[in-house]
Amino acid sequence: AQSVTQLDSQVPVFEEAPVELRCNYSSSVSVYLFWYVQYPNQGLQLLLKYLSGSTLVKGINGFEAEFNKSQTSFHLRKPSVHISDTAEYFCAVSDPGDYKLSFGAGTTVTVRA
Amino acid sequence: EAGVAQSPRYKIIEKRQSVAFWCNPISGHATLYWYQQILGQGPKLLIQFQNNGVVDDSQLPKDRFSAERLKGVDSTLKIQPAKLEDSAVYLCASSLVQGNNSPLHFGNGTRLTVT
Repeated sequence: AQSVTQLDSQVPVFEEAPVELRCNYSSSVSVYLFWYVQYPNQGLQLLLKYLSGSTLVKGINGFEAEFNKSQTSFHLRKPSVHISDTAEYFCAVSDPGDYKLSFGAGTTVTVRA
Repeated sequence: EAGVAQSPRYKIIEKRQSVAFWCNPISGHATLYWYQQILGQGPKLLIQFQNNGVVDDSQLPKDRFSAERLKGVDSTLKIQPAKLEDSAVYLCASSLVQGNNSPLHFGNGTRLTVT
């Protein structure tokens, strides 16, 4: 089964600064990759996903992620964050034929004015 | 489109008691999932239904957890008896079909505290 490591548990960042959240997965074979966001007391919402094709994936709310097969990474970036981006972010992976998502432990992003 | 509805939002019980959670998926969604999210961890899949059949329950602690989706719509997840380590947020999610091109829609979860 696939596993995911999110390298940062907490990321404080100032408003309008860029942010990068790091995610590495366990396998070098074909995978599907996802980033989800969880706002306080809410369920998870899909930010973006990589299934195939271009390694640079654009998602909602100005986020993007880059799939790097050689480094087994799928880091999430946003060039300029807002206070409203304060949330927990989860990276997830699945095998193409499996459909089961394995989630990382999450990264808490706190945006300060 | 109404989202995934879950109730209750919060539940506090003592260990060895039983508890049940309810989920109403988005209308027309055939696939339903229950996840357990322990504080500081990512969600872990407990069980997946396709209509009213179980697709995967390999991570469900079957000695104390049970789930059903009798008519292929609503679902209930039960814990009996509860243990302290069952304290978590229980998330229900649904998707139109099974597959990674069909995004998961999550409910707001039920936060369970076992004392």
